[in-house]
Amino acid sequence: DAKTTQPNSMESNEEEPVHLPCNHSTISGTDYIHWYRQLPSQGPEYVIHGLTSNVNNRMASLAIAEDRKSSTLILHRATLRDAAVYYCILRDAGETSGSRLTFGEGTQLTVNP
Amino acid sequence: NAGVMQNPRHLVRRRGQEARLRCSPMKGHSHVYWYRQLPEEGLKFMVYLQKENIIDESGMPKERFSAEFPKEGPSILRIQQVVRGDSAAYFCASSENTYSGNTIYFGEGSWLTVV
Repeated sequence: DAKTTQPNSMESNEEEPVHLPCNHSTISGTDYIHWYRQLPSQGPEYVIHGLTSNVNNRMASLAIAEDRKSSTLILHRATLRDAAVYYCILRDAGETSGSRLTFGEGTQLTVNP
Repeated sequence: NAGVMQNPRHLVRRRGQEARLRCSPMKGHSHVYWYRQLPEEGLKFMVYLQKENIIDESGMPKERFSAEFPKEGPSILRIQQVVRGDSAAYFCASSENTYSGNTIYFGEGSWLTVV
């Protein structure tokens, strides 16, 4: 599975935007970029995913670099509830390997009141 | 539309007992995955199943662990003769298919404590 690199931790203030970076220099042409987050004592929660174009949904935006070697998850206005570990994951198109999500260490986001 | 349902949420077992964790996928999903998260560690893939078939068990420990997803009923992750090192959170996930642009949804987890 292609590897992703994320900062171990980031801090933000409540109500401010947060940009969470992810590097994936070995991404292949068919890999989708998925983001999940995990709040304490809960299961991973799907946030957003994309292939080439930037994506928006009610939770966040995903900005994908033109060469696809990096991406940024954008939380437009952080709330205390957004404090979580955020995982950037590449999911390939293989029939069995594409079924697995390989979780790295993720980024621990702290949101200050 | 109910999400992925796991039970029990918390389970305490003595060493040597068996643990059975159940997972009902989201409606319309026929693909189920089990992940384990040991204390202070990341999530690790264990097994991927479709109805009545194990597709990928590359992450399953070789002994004491088994999984099934019968034609009717929930998926079951079974741990025989539990040891303290099995204490972890076990997460089930499901998806409609394995298309890499599709979403995998997770349950809230089952927390196993072995005493």
